[in-house]
Amino acid sequence: GQQLNQSPQSMFIQEGEDVSMNCTSSSIFNTWLWYKQDPGEGPVLLIALYKAGELTSNGRLTAQFGITRKDSFLNISASIPSDVGIYFCAGLETSGSRLTFGEGTQLTVNP
Amino acid sequence: GAVVSQHPSWVICKSGTSVKIECRSLDFQATTMFWYRQFPKQSLMLMATSNEGSKATYEQGVEKDKFLINHASLTLSTLTVTSAHPEDSSFYICSARGQTGYNDEQYFGPGTRLTVT
Repeated sequence: GQQLNQSPQSMFIQEGEDVSMNCTSSSIFNTWLWYKQDPGEGPVLLIALYKAGELTSNGRLTAQFGITRKDSFLNISASIPSDVGIYFCAGLETSGSRLTFGEGTQLTVNP
Repeated sequence: GAVVSQHPSWVICKSGTSVKIECRSLDFQATTMFWYRQFPKQSLMLMATSNEGSKATYEQGVEKDKFLINHASLTLSTLTVTSAHPEDSSFYICSARGQTGYNDEQYFGPGTRLTVT
């Protein structure tokens, strides 16, 4: 099946620092989604991107849909301890098809 | 955002018994529901996709007779793990997709932790 390469696998940062993670694919996606998962919980949708080149913000989070439609990045500015968790990118090839998930980025924020 | 609930949030059962997990979309109609399985420190693994009123489509390697999925309405899907064994212990997460606004978005339930003893 399709695979998304998500990096980095893990990050350890200090509170207040900015964070960036990205996903790349060999396939073109029509939709990119970014989720955050806390331990023992289901993923929570953070940002949805629908157009190539689209840049969308949600509070301190900013995500972009790459021009080639094969990549996306997520930035978190001024990190805080509650940003800790696993962040997943997910791509959707066509409407109604299944999501392809990245392997996740484990974020640790030191106070 | 849209809300998806799952019940129970955790369950412990004995080997050989069956367990049913419910997934509900609370404030939107889910045209499609998905069931995932997640092992510790791993990404989500899609088990099956179901559309309301039709049979589920299972991913390769997932036993349809073991993991029974019913999508009886636009707001409810159930996953029944039949004759559960310890290797079925995992975190099961459902997801629902439907038009909550302009675009189709996919929302996840809080997950169900299954432990088979």
